Amino acid sequence: GENVEQHPSTLSVQEGDSAVIKCTYSDSASNYFPWYKQELGKRPQLIIDIRSNVGEKKDQRIAVTLNKTAKHFSLHITETQPEDSAVYFCAANAGGTSYGKLTFGQGTILTVHP
Amino acid sequence: GAVVSQHPSWVICKSGTSVKIECRSLDFQATTMFWYRQFPKQSLMLMATSNEGSKATYEQGVEKDKFLINHASLTLSTLTVTSAHPEDSSFYICSEGRASTEAFFGQGTRLTVV
Repeated sequence: GENVEQHPSTLSVQEGDSAVIKCTYSDSASNYFPWYKQELGKRPQLIIDIRSNVGEKKDQRIAVTLNKTAKHFSLHITETQPEDSAVYFCAANAGGTSYGKLTFGQGTILTVHP
Repeated sequence: GAVVSQHPSWVICKSGTSVKIECRSLDFQATTMFWYRQFPKQSLMLMATSNEGSKATYEQGVEKDKFLINHASLTLSTLTVTSAHPEDSSFYICSEGRASTEAFFGQGTRLTVV
């Protein structure tokens, strides 16, 4: 089955700096790669996603890149703000099936210091 | 607004009792829904795929006799944790299984077994 590895597990940055979180996946059939932000005790919140027919996608301060050959994708947050502090998860859909059947990375605790 | 409604949001039960968690799709006829479990400070792990009108498909290592899933209608899937024990205490969350759009998660259920 799909295996998703996420690094780093913790990331501390100063306000205004950039943050990068990286993930690798194992199933070459995966074709959907979402990124989630999760606050304690709440559901994951989709912040950006990318499909396998696209190499990069950007939404304001957030961007995601995908390298299908190397099977890795990354989240880039620019101009970080304290409210960006949260746990971030990458995910990939298993076997290229439903976008709801997801394998998650281990998570990254992002702390943005004012 | 929310497209997936999950209840209850939290529940405390005694060891040995059973607990039912409901997941309702509010705007979509979901033939497939997914159940995840998240232990404290860990990632979301897929437990099972709930299939409307047929048996659920369980991930490796998940006891199907302990975690009973019923998907009797296109808008409702239920997860029953039978004979709950303290080690079953976790955050349980469901999602819709749409083919090619983002996954919509329920609010999650915090289960505490005492």
